[in-house]
Amino acid sequence: ETGVTQSPTHLIKTRGQQVTLRCSSQSGHNTVSWYQQALGQGPQFIFQYYREEENGRGNFPPRFSGLQFPNYSSELNVNALELDDSALYLCASSLFAGQGTDTQYFGPGTRLTVL
Amino acid sequence: AQSVTQPDIHITVSEGASLELRCNYSYGATPYLFWYVQSPGQGLQLLLKYFSGDTLVQGIKGFEAEFKRSQSSFNLRKPSVHWSDAAEYFCAVGAPQAAGNKLTFGGGTRVLVKP
Repeated sequence: ETGVTQSPTHLIKTRGQQVTLRCSSQSGHNTVSWYQQALGQGPQFIFQYYREEENGRGNFPPRFSGLQFPNYSSELNVNALELDDSALYLCASSLFAGQGTDTQYFGPGTRLTVL
Repeated sequence: AQSVTQPDIHITVSEGASLELRCNYSYGATPYLFWYVQSPGQGLQLLLKYFSGDTLVQGIKGFEAEFKRSQSSFNLRKPSVHWSDAAEYFCAVGAPQAAGNKLTFGGGTRVLVKP
């Protein structure tokens, strides 16, 4: 069974640039959630994707957007990068089967640094 | 809106001693509760979860947690700590979205293990 993988591992960008982060979900999972973890803090929910549509969003501006593909992999896109976007971005996959008792399994994260 | 508080930012414990990490949550309905562990530079690993039923939950690596509805708490315990338990621990509450849970995390507790 393959776990959740993310790429790249590390990324350095400058203010105003755009970035795309990628996530492959665990085998058998159909839902992907993205979280932002700033240094010294707990992860914060960005949004969740199911059946290639956004289902649930946290308190993040529209310049944070995403995609989910037919194979359940996902991308997180951030436009007009700001210094405060520097963080560890975590992807989590889960199996939604019509109940709320799903469990999210996390990837290793992508460390984004904005200069 | 749901919230999670982990009152202890740092805890130092001697190897072989017992460990208890506190977690208090605020949520209007029956909570789904999770504990995750994060080693430096890594993603989150699920230790255990509570959905319903027995309020004492067993997890991996010898950890257990007890759900106390009257105290809105979900404290994590381990009877005898190993040096490899040094990490950051996050408590989370799950709020069902359209296709799975949105996790709200506490700020984390960093555990240091003394030889």
